[in-house]
Amino acid sequence: NAGVTQTPKFQVLKTGQSMTLQCAQDMNHEYMSWYRQDPGMGLRLIHYSVGAGITDQGEVPNGYNVSRSTTEDFPLRLLSAAPSQTSVYFCACSSVRTGGLTEAFFGQGTRLTVV
Amino acid sequence: GDSVTQMEGPVTLSEEAFLTINCTYTATGYPSLFWYVQYPGEGLQLLLKATKADDKGSNKGFEATYRKETTSFHLEKGSVQVSDSAVYFCALSRPTGNQFYFGTGTSLTVIP
Repeated sequence: NAGVTQTPKFQVLKTGQSMTLQCAQDMNHEYMSWYRQDPGMGLRLIHYSVGAGITDQGEVPNGYNVSRSTTEDFPLRLLSAAPSQTSVYFCACSSVRTGGLTEAFFGQGTRLTVV
Repeated sequence: GDSVTQMEGPVTLSEEAFLTINCTYTATGYPSLFWYVQYPGEGLQLLLKATKADDKGSNKGFEATYRKETTSFHLEKGSVQVSDSAVYFCALSRPTGNQFYFGTGTSLTVIP
């Protein structure tokens, strides 16, 4: 099993450009999420989804859109890139159980630079 | 609100030294607690977890005990190796919640 696959691994954008970060999982997990990782700030939740057709905002959603049309895919769209969005982005998936979320499985990350 | 606080880094140790990375949490109810490890250029991967008070999670020589009375989940290893050099994240999830809460990470470097 591949687990969680993110593409691309690296990307450079110019200010104002748009792009989509892809995330696919083959674990049949209901829950998927996007984080950004910045030095000294740990991981911050951007958006998450508890199933196909259901998405919600996390801590830092501004400037990003998501959709969940299938269980497997959860793309993250940057509408108009800004230098403040320079970061490493991680996609993760989990199962939902009575006791809450089980462990998160992470992709390898996308390193995005906006110039 | 829910949160996780872990000790500031970076931490530098000699090989075979004892490791402790402190983690405390704030959460309502009885959260599940996790330690994740991130090696350079990679995503996070689960190191160990505990789902109820007094549970001890262990893996690869690392241990952490869920202490409800002190709201802590400190990570320990008796003898670190160079290959343990990584960033370590403490995290929680609540039974009624829909997200993980991560600490800011602690960078560990082990020197030969």
